[in-house]
Amino acid sequence: GAGVSQSPSNKVTEKGKDVELRCDPISGHTALYWYRQRLGQGLEFLIYFQGNSAPDKSGLPSDRFSAERTGESVSTLTIQRTQQEDSAVYLCASSLVSGRDNQPQHFGDGTRLSIL
Amino acid sequence: AQSVTQLDSHVSVSEGTPVLLRCNYSSSYSPSLFWYVQHPNKGLQLLLKYTSAATLVKGINGFEAEFKKSETSFHLTKPSAHMSDAAEYFCVVTRRGSARQLTFGSGTQLTVLP
Repeated sequence: GAGVSQSPSNKVTEKGKDVELRCDPISGHTALYWYRQRLGQGLEFLIYFQGNSAPDKSGLPSDRFSAERTGESVSTLTIQRTQQEDSAVYLCASSLVSGRDNQPQHFGDGTRLSIL
Repeated sequence: AQSVTQLDSHVSVSEGTPVLLRCNYSSSYSPSLFWYVQHPNKGLQLLLKYTSAATLVKGINGFEAEFKKSETSFHLTKPSAHMSDAAEYFCVVTRRGSARQLTFGSGTQLTVLP
């Protein structure tokens, strides 16, 4: 498909385990974003990648959270030593980058993470 | 700095009647504004966007929104609701020309009654 792909779609794990979430952006999109959406709430920005620039990590809630991106393709979000408050839907989005007008972000369906 | 306020957490309308979802924004810069829709267990889908062109923006599925700078509003409307419109709607603001993080409203849950 041509959209943003996230895997797994659902993940259930025990408290204290590490998890890795994957995002495949739309081909050609240089910008990639991770968001967290807790039940019944809006989206919280986590991290932003743009090309070869240093990522904007200002939204990461703690040092247990990290993310990587290989060039302009796949990104992985890793949560170490998971806690129950990490339970949420993690959404990935990608976009083109324009110097003038904002290009819309295209979202994947998310990974629903449940920490037992 | 920027922020967005969605004035109603829940809106309920009957099928075939108009929809109004309200959004007010605050931005220190010239804003770009978006409306996204989220159906259950799905990601967000872009409905429409305002950047710097016409203040009345038409989107998909019959939705439109009007940018009113004097009122700092960007309300979403549709003349006639359909059952398939039932979903959560997010108003989003970002700085025009910046591709960085978006600021999301808290969302409005739209219910469409038969």
